[in-house]
Amino acid sequence: NAGVTQTPKFQVLKTGQSMTLQCAQDMNHEYMSWYRQDPGMGLRLIHYSVGAGITDQGEVPNGYNVSRSTTEDFPLRLLSAAPSQTSVYFCASNKLGSTDTQYFGPGTRLTVL
Amino acid sequence: DAKTTQPTSMDCAEGRAANLPCNHSTISGNEYVYWYRQIHSQGPQYIIHGLKNNETNEMASLIITEDRKSSTLILPHATLRDTAVYYCIVRPQGGSEKLVFGKGTKLTVNP
Repeated sequence: NAGVTQTPKFQVLKTGQSMTLQCAQDMNHEYMSWYRQDPGMGLRLIHYSVGAGITDQGEVPNGYNVSRSTTEDFPLRLLSAAPSQTSVYFCASNKLGSTDTQYFGPGTRLTVL
Repeated sequence: DAKTTQPTSMDCAEGRAANLPCNHSTISGNEYVYWYRQIHSQGPQYIIHGLKNNETNEMASLIITEDRKSSTLILPHATLRDTAVYYCIVRPQGGSEKLVFGKGTKLTVNP
């Protein structure tokens, strides 16, 4: 199993550009989520999904869109990038109905100029 | 908001036990205590979790007080590679609840 994979690892955008951060998992996990982490801070939840076709907002959803068309993939879209979205983004997944651990991807480091 | 309180930082000598405390005085009966760590901006790594009994795995031990209002993560023989930020999180069973991360404890293991 590859676990949770994220692409790209690094990205630089200009203000106003849009892009999609990719996240995939091969563990057949129902639950997937996106976090952002700013310097010196803990992780904050952006959006999450409990299954294909179902998404919901976390703590800091503004400026981000998500969709979940398959169990494996959970892309995060930045509609119009702003400098305030400069951060490290982590995707995570876990199986529902258990106390199993949540598995995290390696992260995408995004800089918006 | 995070439901846990942890010290901002701790130091430990290499080879000694590292004991990381966590207060979770408002924990509910169906909430588990989870510990994760994050090494230098990598993705958080699961360490251990428990409900009310003490737990041990190959990485660490988790001691939960009888009233469940606090817990201690123990790394029995800390190494330099254990230097990381450690997060204590409470979460209901079922796996559908989001993890709420606080700022954690920065553990520095010194040679």
